[in-house]
Amino acid sequence: ETGVTQTPRHLVMGMTNKKSLKCEQHLGHNAMYWYKQSAKKPLELMFVYSLEERVENNSVPSRFSPECPNSSHLFLHLHTLQPEDSALYLCASSQDRAGGSDTQYFGPGTRLTVL
Amino acid sequence: GQSLEQPSEVTAVEGAIVQINCTYQTSGFYGLSWYQQHDGGAPTFLSYNALDGLEETGRFSSFLSRSDSYGYLLLQELQMKDSASYFCAASLGGGSYIPTFGRGTSLIVHP
Repeated sequence: ETGVTQTPRHLVMGMTNKKSLKCEQHLGHNAMYWYKQSAKKPLELMFVYSLEERVENNSVPSRFSPECPNSSHLFLHLHTLQPEDSALYLCASSQDRAGGSDTQYFGPGTRLTVL
Repeated sequence: GQSLEQPSEVTAVEGAIVQINCTYQTSGFYGLSWYQQHDGGAPTFLSYNALDGLEETGRFSSFLSRSDSYGYLLLQELQMKDSASYFCAASLGGGSYIPTFGRGTSLIVHP
């Protein structure tokens, strides 16, 4: 247990569905992240929120929509996904400290399959 | 831009010592982290080097040379459970706290 939880752990959805991934951190951190990890590919940073403001958006398609209502919760809203979006979606949190190492604490991930 | 290079796969036998290298090119650099990820699991933090030299934590050690833009993770007394992917990640500092990850090295430990 890293103090970061994600639900659901597994999700199968059709291309026309709308679903949401949820992440919650219990570490008192002030930054939260969404990553995509596809087979045989490196971790791809999708979104970063610091103090509930989005500070990074790495050219992610608009069918992925993040939401950060407070510093402990992060959502990823999904709609009209494509089969190539099937991947492990990882949430992480860190304590943003200027000049610090900002160790990432990852959740267990949501394994998403798009049919 | 930023990039980190590490071998895609390393194999070793139980009880051996293995070194996983990481070279980086970044426009700014503050420190190098290492993460371990087992199949189906989440990456977990192993170590962090901000200064040159060796940091030791049990069977695992991590090294950094800032002048060479190079670091490595050293795993000693390998065990089967060490079979996993290992990622290096660069912290850019200078106000940016977002780490850049390497592609990962798959370590396979044989009996």
